[in-house]
Amino acid sequence: DQQVKQNSPSLSVQEGRISILNCDYTNSMFDYFLWYKKYPAEGPTFLISISSIKDKNEDGRFTVFLNKSAKHLSLHIVPSQPGDSAVYFCAASANLLPGGTSYGKLTFGQGTILTVHP
Amino acid sequence: DSGVTQTPKHLITATGQRVTLRCSPRSGDLSVYWYQQSLDQGLQFLIQYYNGEERAKGNILERFSAQQFPDLHSELNLSSLELGDSALYFCASSVGPGGKGYGYTFGSGTRLTVV
Repeated sequence: DQQVKQNSPSLSVQEGRISILNCDYTNSMFDYFLWYKKYPAEGPTFLISISSIKDKNEDGRFTVFLNKSAKHLSLHIVPSQPGDSAVYFCAASANLLPGGTSYGKLTFGQGTILTVHP
Repeated sequence: DSGVTQTPKHLITATGQRVTLRCSPRSGDLSVYWYQQSLDQGLQFLIQYYNGEERAKGNILERFSAQQFPDLHSELNLSSLELGDSALYFCASSVGPGGKGYGYTFGSGTRLTVV
C-alpha cells in the first residue's frame, strides 16, 4: 500500500527553467509534508516542509504547494541549477499522539531523479 | 558530514548469515530511526528508538531487531539473511521523540548485498 506516490521516476529540465516535482498521497491523517534531496553516496537531506494548515511555503528558490482536497503537493525550483540534480523524495507524517505505533515515522515516496542540464 | 555516522558503508554477506549495522546519532540527538531503501523503492520505515526505548515500529521483519544503547548509539541486527534483504539501510537521528521529520538528520547509509 503506497500511501505516498511520486509518479514521475525522472525529470529533465534546462538550467534557468522551472522544475516541478509532484507527489500524491492517500492517507488523510497526514498533516505534515516534507521534501528531501539525495545525492549519490549520501543520505537524504531536508529541503523544505509544509504543514497541512498552509497551502504554500517558500524558501529561496524552493516553493512547496499543498492541495489538500486533491491530496497533492508539488515542489517548484526556480530557477533550476545544475547543482540541483539529485533524487528528490516526498515524505509525509501523520497526526498521531506520542506513543502511537507510528509516531515519529515518515512515509516516503519512491523518489524522482531530477537532472538539470547546463 | 551530517553528524550521523553509519558503519560499515558496505557489507557483502551470504544468505542465511547474520549482520549488525551500527549508527551513532548526531551529538545531542536522542532519537534514532532506521529506514530501508530497496531497489526502485522509497525509504521504508523500520523502527525508532528514543533515549533507549522503542518508540515506533514499521514493517520490520521478525528476523530483524534493533536496540539503542545507553550511549545512544543504535544497532540494527539482520539475521537469516535472504537475497531480498539486499538494500541501503539508513539511520537518521533527531533531538526529540517525534519532530515530524524536519529535525531528521540522515547518515550516508550502509549498502548491504546478500549473495
